[in-house]
Amino acid sequence: DTGVSQDPRHKITKRGQNVTFRCDPISEHNRLYWYRQTLGQGPEFLTYFQNEAQLEKSRLLSDRFSAERPKGSFSTLEIQRTEQGDSAMYLCASSLGLTSDTQYFGPGTRLTVL
Amino acid sequence: AQSVSQHNHHVILSEAASLELGCNYSYGGTVNLFWYVQYPGQHLQLLLKYFSGDPLVKGIKGFEAEFIKSKFSFNLRKPSVQWSDTAEYFCAVNAHQGGKLIFGQGTELSVKP
Repeated sequence: DTGVSQDPRHKITKRGQNVTFRCDPISEHNRLYWYRQTLGQGPEFLTYFQNEAQLEKSRLLSDRFSAERPKGSFSTLEIQRTEQGDSAMYLCASSLGLTSDTQYFGPGTRLTVL
Repeated sequence: AQSVSQHNHHVILSEAASLELGCNYSYGGTVNLFWYVQYPGQHLQLLLKYFSGDPLVKGIKGFEAEFIKSKFSFNLRKPSVQWSDTAEYFCAVNAHQGGKLIFGQGTELSVKP
């Protein structure tokens, strides 16, 4: 499968713990996006990278959230001191980075904070 | 503010019925428009997209959408739905130069066999 992959697929954690998610984009895709989706809602943008540069961050992304894409390939999203409100599906998408291009989504990581 | 509004939260149809899902957006400048579909237990998949040119675009599985610039709309249509079309459908927009997608809240479609 050469699509976007995410790991883990599910994560259950206790409030206050730190969690880290990984996303591997489609090979040769320069842009990588993170979104968050809660039940009954559409995905909400969190941040995105062009190669290793983080180009935009949403105001939704509090100081407890940090994302990296150190070598311009895979990316990690870390949430520190998790809260129950962080429970959601975290989606990763990638695209070629052209003017008009398509974002391809991974299966997501479902986070449950107890 | 940039936003996407989908008019219907849950639509229930019988097989062979026609489908139209509404989508309106608020976004300054030239836009790209998308419909994504999420089948039960699966990840978001692209159904169709509009970048420029013919405002009537055709996607996979017999779906089509029409971009009406004057109405800021991008409605999704299918003449005859099947049980396998049961899924959640999301309309999304971004700037013509790319970047973050703004999604609507989604429409859940249930097709009765």
